[in-house]
Amino acid sequence: DSGVTQTPKHLITATGQRVTLRCSPRSGDLSVYWYQQSLDQGLQFLIQYYNGEERAKGNILERFSAQQFPDLHSELNLSSLELGDSALYFCASSPRTGGTGELFFGEGSRLTVL
Amino acid sequence: AQSVSQHNHHVILSEAASLELGCNYSYGGTVNLFWYVQYPGQHLQLLLKYFSGDPLVKGIKGFEAEFIKSKFSFNLRKPSVQWSDTAEYFCAVTPSYGGSSNTGKLIFGQGTTLQVKP
Repeated sequence: DSGVTQTPKHLITATGQRVTLRCSPRSGDLSVYWYQQSLDQGLQFLIQYYNGEERAKGNILERFSAQQFPDLHSELNLSSLELGDSALYFCASSPRTGGTGELFFGEGSRLTVL
Repeated sequence: AQSVSQHNHHVILSEAASLELGCNYSYGGTVNLFWYVQYPGQHLQLLLKYFSGDPLVKGIKGFEAEFIKSKFSFNLRKPSVQWSDTAEYFCAVTPSYGGSSNTGKLIFGQGTTLQVKP
């Protein structure tokens, strides 16, 4: 158990819909990262938040957005869903930005878009 | 841009065989290097990491990796694999410079699926 909690574990929805994925980081960790894992793209960095502020942005589509709340949990919002958005979405946390770079991953949220 | 390349996409070995998974990265500066493992249906777990010092790094479950700076490589090895090592293995890199510029995000390779036959 990494200490990072993600919900839901599985989600099936239709094209055009909107979903929200939730992540609770390890206790005390200020930095949250979102990654997308798909068969063709591998593990792609989406976005990072540190203590409530966006810190780095990767290959995140404009249809996707994220935020980190005062209690440090984070949500990833995916809208106007397309078939290609089907993937495993991982959240990871670390004590602070930078540092050693070691990330602690949750078990992921598997999104299926039909 | 930083990138990580893992040479083997799918490796099949018999138990007790030796393992070496290749990883090369592209980055001009100093880096921190990682190998993560993802067992079927589970989250990514850290196998080992290199920050500085001895380029031969030992991790959990008998894994080790060697950092060869001149080759920009960080290959993962295990002398004798077990069926329980069946998993996907990811090499990852992050710049090691400090300060506010360092976000700590990891850049991952495409992953190598290891299948160990009993």
